[in-house]
Amino acid sequence: NAGVTQTPKFRVLKTGQSMTLLCAQDMNHEYMYWYRQDPGMGLRLIHYSVGEGTTAKGEVPDGYNVSRLKKQNFLLGLESAAPSQTSVYFCASSYTYRDPVEQFFGPGTRLTVL
Amino acid sequence: SQELEQSPQSLIVQEGKNLTINCTSSKTLYGLYWYKQKYGEGLIFLMMLQKGGEEKSHEKITAKLDEKKQQSSLHITASQPSHAGIYLCGADVGDQGGSEKLVFGKGTKLTVNP
Repeated sequence: NAGVTQTPKFRVLKTGQSMTLLCAQDMNHEYMYWYRQDPGMGLRLIHYSVGEGTTAKGEVPDGYNVSRLKKQNFLLGLESAAPSQTSVYFCASSYTYRDPVEQFFGPGTRLTVL
Repeated sequence: SQELEQSPQSLIVQEGKNLTINCTSSKTLYGLYWYKQKYGEGLIFLMMLQKGGEEKSHEKITAKLDEKKQQSSLHITASQPSHAGIYLCGADVGDQGGSEKLVFGKGTKLTVNP
């Protein structure tokens, strides 16, 4: 049982390049989330999904797109990377929202945009 | 929108000392989560509190939610270097709890000197 995994762990991009971050969970969770973590800003929600085929915007969605084609995977795309997107990206998942329940987090992807 | 304020932002203690981290909300908390993060790693779930006056403990860490459900404290007894890291509080944003989204505080960085 791997929990939540993220690929890649590190990446350096040049401004304008594109990339996709992959999140996978093997816990059969319905809900998946993408956060970014910046110094002094805490964790901020980018996009989330409440089930296969659904996505919704979080607090800071601009410049990112997401897809949830399979229940176990949640992809975060950067179409044209900008230095402001330099951050640590975390994926998380949970099995429900009906009652307060913990979110399980991946190890993070450290992205630098030059 | 709901905001969480954590204090202090950073804390340096000598090994063996007790310490407290606070998390204050602008709205009633229906689900309050405490996570720990080691540098360069993901978030590890510590505890979740729901009811006013609730208190939970895990090893030397105790978390409480006040009766009014607007403030939580995390207390570490006899701190050890292994307690070092960033502690984050998160809360459900739904008006009645059970929202699919969490908001997080900016974190408290704890350093424990041997």
